[in-house]
Amino acid sequence: KAGVTQTPRYLIKTRGQQVTLSCSPISGHRSVSWYQQTPGQGLQFLFEYFSETQRNKGNFPGRFSGRQFSNSRSEMNVSTLELGDSALYLCASSLGRWLEDSYEQYFGPGTRLTVT
Amino acid sequence: DAKTTQPPSMDCAEGRAANLPCNHSTISGNEYVYWYRQIHSQGPQYIIHGLKNNETNEMASLIITEDRKSSTLILPHATLRDTAVYYCIVRVGDTGRRALTFGSGTRLQVQP
Repeated sequence: KAGVTQTPRYLIKTRGQQVTLSCSPISGHRSVSWYQQTPGQGLQFLFEYFSETQRNKGNFPGRFSGRQFSNSRSEMNVSTLELGDSALYLCASSLGRWLEDSYEQYFGPGTRLTVT
Repeated sequence: DAKTTQPPSMDCAEGRAANLPCNHSTISGNEYVYWYRQIHSQGPQYIIHGLKNNETNEMASLIITEDRKSSTLILPHATLRDTAVYYCIVRVGDTGRRALTFGSGTRLQVQP
């Protein structure tokens, strides 16, 4: 069974631009969560999607948004990029709502975003 | 909000058991404790999770104290490939506003 895939793997953007990252979950998984990882803040939860609806959200500004499609694939968008948005963005999928039930998550390799 | 406390780093000799502690003294009664690890530059990997009872799988064992305020992840025979950052995680918040606290994790260095 294929794992979680994320595209692109690497991205360089300029301040003020916007970016869209993509995540394809493991087949049959319906929950997708997004995380930001930086050396200073560590691994932080962004949001969780299940059945095309955002179910939980971490403490990030409204510039960070996402969506989930009917095939469970998810996209994350960051608008008006700032230098501090440079990070590894990780996507994770699980069979059910991992934040409400005891499902394990499977992480993708991440997208490394550099904002210059 | 429940959060976790882990030692920043630990060393372990190859072939020996690695015991990684985690304090989660404010965990609520129905919250699970999860353990993940992250090998450099890769996405985190699920290891194990538990609620009250001790758990074991092919990767590790999880020992949860009776009062649930702390737990220990045990890698029975550590190998060099177990060198990674280990995260003990609990959920925080109420329904609809749940989040995760990954904390800083424990950097485990397995020595040859």
